[in-house]
Parts: sequence; C-alpha cells; structure tokens
Amino acid sequence: EAQVTQNPRYLITVTGKKLTVTCSQNMNHEYMSWYRQDPGLGLRQIYYSMNVEVTDKGDVPEGYKVSRKEKRNFPLILESPSPNQTSLYFCASSTRDRGSYEQYFGPGTRLTVT
Amino acid sequence: SQQGEEDPQALSIQEGENATMNCSYKTSINNLQWYRQNSGRGLVHLILIRSNEREKHSGRLRVTLDTSKKSSSLLITASRAADTASYFCATDGTRNQFYFGTGTSLTVIP
Repeated sequence: EAQVTQNPRYLITVTGKKLTVTCSQNMNHEYMSWYRQDPGLGLRQIYYSMNVEVTDKGDVPEGYKVSRKEKRNFPLILESPSPNQTSLYFCASSTRDRGSYEQYFGPGTRLTVT
Repeated sequence: SQQGEEDPQALSIQEGENATMNCSYKTSINNLQWYRQNSGRGLVHLILIRSNEREKHSGRLRVTLDTSKKSSSLLITASRAADTASYFCATDGTRNQFYFGTGTSLTVIP
C-alpha cells in the first residue's frame, strides 16, 4: 500500500530536549516536505526536499532542521524545542507529474512542548 | 507571508445542496490544488488545475481558476454528510514551495 508514515504520532516533551520526528514514504517520490498546522493559520511549509541531499527552506524554517540522506526518508529535527513549536506536523511526498506535485500526506504528529 | 485565504471560513449546508468555497492567493502560480482534511487527519488531494486552465471537473467537484483575479473556487455538487471536512487550496511557487490557504470548514447536515 502506497503510504507516508510518521513517527511518533503523539509526543509530549519539555523545552530544550532535542527530538526527531521520522517520515518515510514507499512511493519512490522525489519531493518531500514538512508542514505545521496551527488553528487559524492553515498549513505552513517548514522545509522541503527536491531529492536526496537537496533541501530548502519553506515559510517557517526557524528552529527546525532536516536531512535527506535517502530518498524514502525525511526526518524533522528540533534541536531545542520551545513551546511555540507546539503544533500538528505533517510530512508529505510527491512525484513531479508534468510539472505538478500532487502531495500524499502522512497521518500527522501532534507535538506538545511544555 | 504568501499564504492564500479561503472564504468562507465555515460553511454549513443541508445534504443535497451545493457547496461553494473560494480561494485567493497572492503570487503567480504554476498550479492550484484543492485538498480535503477530515478532523485532525492528513490531507487528501482532490483536484489540480493548471495555470493555463480555467475550469476542471472531477466527479461532483468543479474547480475554476481566474489568474487575473488570483482566485479559485471549488464547487461540490449534491453534497453528502461524508463531505463534512475542511478544504484547503494550495499553490506552488517558483521555488517549488507550497502555500496553503487557511481552509474552509464544511459541515453537511444529514
């Protein structure tokens, strides 16, 4: 089954404790991306990757890091989480079909930073 | 921010009625996409319209695009209770970034 998986699905942590949210896709997609979703703000792109070893900043990259060492994986790293990073996070992947990107989303990771 | 906006923020209709939601965006686009999100879950792609297209249909969905006004609309005909969800438009920028709107929450009353 074609899917994007994220782990963990729920995470409660404390300020400053480094964490990683994993994302994996089994569709051989080139494009992968991370979003955060906050009430009233919709989805905002954090980072995206066009392919292995190619990453770029989205709209809200501050406080986050990513890496793309393998095509299927795109982990999101919070080196020193703060309460304003409490949010619902989504990973997505897509291939480039005639210049367009239909994205497949993971189930989400709900992060609470206290 | 180059984020778009959907209008209305919330919409409540009776089953069988049509639902129309609008999206406005700020910059030139290659494509515009619509997604659906059931409460707290991942988004699901519904339909894509390219910048050189004006209208597109998929089942009960009809999307229009007016690039001169930087706006799009999504029409869901003969709505069903299962259509209850939030709907988002998304545009892609020149640097392959994506910009999502703030969403329209649709409630279809059985």
